Amino acid sequence: DTEVTQTPKHLVMGMTNKKSLKCEQHMGHRAMYWYKQKAKKPPELMFVYSYEKLSINESVPSRFSPECPNSSLLNLHLHALQPEDSALYLCASSSGTLIPPEQYFGPGTRLTVT
Amino acid sequence: AQSVTQLGSHVSVSEGALVLLRCNYSSSVPPYLFWYVQYPNQGLQLLLKYTSAATLVKGINGFEAEFKKSETSFHLTKPSAHMSDAAEYFCAVSDLRLGNEKLTFGTGTRLTIIP
Repeated sequence: DTEVTQTPKHLVMGMTNKKSLKCEQHMGHRAMYWYKQKAKKPPELMFVYSYEKLSINESVPSRFSPECPNSSLLNLHLHALQPEDSALYLCASSSGTLIPPEQYFGPGTRLTVT
Repeated sequence: AQSVTQLGSHVSVSEGALVLLRCNYSSSVPPYLFWYVQYPNQGLQLLLKYTSAATLVKGINGFEAEFKKSETSFHLTKPSAHMSDAAEYFCAVSDLRLGNEKLTFGTGTRLTIIP
């Protein structure tokens, strides 16, 4: 199973809402990532978890809060977002040990902030 | 810092023609380089990766790329384009720092196939 799953596929939320994005992988990977992708742009790294610990935060605003409950799950909690946060949010995972690294991406959650 | 530059934000080729997508890298050390493809409303799929084991790398769907150190390039090619190849293609470089993997993507090239 080389699949990374993400739920929901689409999410519309108001600026005062609290919502969460979920990512799951069952490949035994030890590194998981959140990316943000605006239309017609490349993905931009937001967070990296390595062995369930946050290892990289690319200066992401605190209205985005990542969580890694276990080695298979990655959540992104959203609160008080702005319309400019509307984007495709991609999750990825990698073994954490393979050189060079290979990241497997999920299909993404299309987020619209109204 | 490592980076990649993709020349040409849009490339159009006729079905059956050669596909050439350009990527140049900037790195002070031998880089790990990748090509990813993104179909509309989907995530990214790894096409191929450069591991330094061979300069010519073969990937999925008939794509290949050649690493040329003298030209700092890693261009993606396919001898004969199919309609199904229409997608966005991203070149990426990996930065391994303290065991953390950070992928930095180029700006992408949208490939259109003309019937």
